[in-house]
Amino acid sequence: QKEVEQDPGPLSVPEGAIVSLNCTYSNSAFQYFMWYRQYSRKGPELLMYTYSSGNKEDGRFTAQVDKSSKYISLFIRDSQPSDSATYLCAMSAVGDDKIIFGKGTRLHILP
Amino acid sequence: KAGVTQTPRYLIKTRGQQVTLSCSPISGHRSVSWYQQTPGQGLQFLFEYFSETQRNKGNFPGRFSGRQFSNSRSEMNVSTLELGDSALYLCASSLAPAGSSSYEQYFGPGTRLTVT
Repeated sequence: QKEVEQDPGPLSVPEGAIVSLNCTYSNSAFQYFMWYRQYSRKGPELLMYTYSSGNKEDGRFTAQVDKSSKYISLFIRDSQPSDSATYLCAMSAVGDDKIIFGKGTRLHILP
Repeated sequence: KAGVTQTPRYLIKTRGQQVTLSCSPISGHRSVSWYQQTPGQGLQFLFEYFSETQRNKGNFPGRFSGRQFSNSRSEMNVSTLELGDSALYLCASSLAPAGSSSYEQYFGPGTRLTVT
């Protein structure tokens, strides 16, 4: 079982829809959870950074962590064509130097 | 505030050669991490440097090495290049080292290395 699993997509949704992106993980020691957005030919951009369980909201983006299910989500409200990108989840444990990334989900927002 | 910069942006090398990639972190950031990104394997951690010390290394052969200078700039070296080393090499910087509660890393645009 891989440490972090993420559906590669592509996921195509119409403009204005709510997008749900998800990752599952196997290591219960993970406490830090991150979401990155990566446009083609660019480096990943940090979108959300959360510690332990719960929700965090930033503008149109909401990150959720469910540690009991080892499941994290990123919701994008009022999706725009400019949100079309690859979204990577990442996580690490306290005191651990390594950050483990999912392989990313390709998202297409259709105008 | 300037972001993370990487040079060169594109590089073509032949098998057996060696290559050095450079990364300048965000001003004030002391942690620099290197990653390899390929379509098949995704983003894989190479190593992290904090205050000129390598703190951790991923599962890559010894042909991959790095260093960090006193101004936090970092270089990554790959010797005896193989075709499978073709990838996007990303550098990321952070104020705090990985594993700390304030760890947030910011990526550069990457260096795309093609080995022929």
